[in-house]
Amino acid sequence: TQLLEQSPQFLSIQEGENLTVYCNSSSVFSSLQWYRQEPGEGPVLLVTVVTGGEVKKLKRLTFQFGDARKDSSLHITAAQPGDTGLYLCAGTREQTGANNLFFGTGTRLTVIP
Amino acid sequence: DARVTQTPRDKVTEMGQEVTMRCQPILGHNTVFWYRQTMMQGLELLAYFRNRAPLDDSGMPKDRFSAEMPDATLATLKIQPSEPRDSAVYFCASGLGQGVLNTEAFFGQGTRLTVV
Repeated sequence: TQLLEQSPQFLSIQEGENLTVYCNSSSVFSSLQWYRQEPGEGPVLLVTVVTGGEVKKLKRLTFQFGDARKDSSLHITAAQPGDTGLYLCAGTREQTGANNLFFGTGTRLTVIP
Repeated sequence: DARVTQTPRDKVTEMGQEVTMRCQPILGHNTVFWYRQTMMQGLELLAYFRNRAPLDDSGMPKDRFSAEMPDATLATLKIQPSEPRDSAVYFCASGLGQGVLNTEAFFGQGTRLTVV
């Protein structure tokens, strides 16, 4: 059983379209991160959210942390082919003294030119 | 340019052989993670070290896997004996584990292991 479930698992869209990726859990997280991974490489951090309800923007990407700190979403506006990749959410559980970083199941995004 | 270095990049071995994967974390980072990535399971946390001490290795099959940090510049993951189901990409990541804002994990490029 995965701690963090992402949906959709696969997403193929045309350039210029908008999309939203979801990351859900029944656990509370002290922080949540979004990473992007390209073939043959390790994941690279995009953003960290810490406060319930927090919204962060990174150019065309908008990240939101749920009020209860159990879920998060990533919205991409006007997707570009360069956005293609595997998007992973990762959370640090509220657990004293621990900073284990658990990753979600991933969303594989393909943006078609 | 600080980065996590993993060796080897690719490893093909026969079932039953010992495999050792190495990781050099970013200088100054006190946290090291080992992950395994497969298409079916995604990224699974195998082990987690803070200041060279293992804090959590509950995700690691203990009978054949072992993880150590002989010193602050080297982390190792060993599989003995290896089995075909161990075939995966193994990632090492390092970070500064001082608080929730410092849990960014910097990943290496991974070791692609194939056990035949």
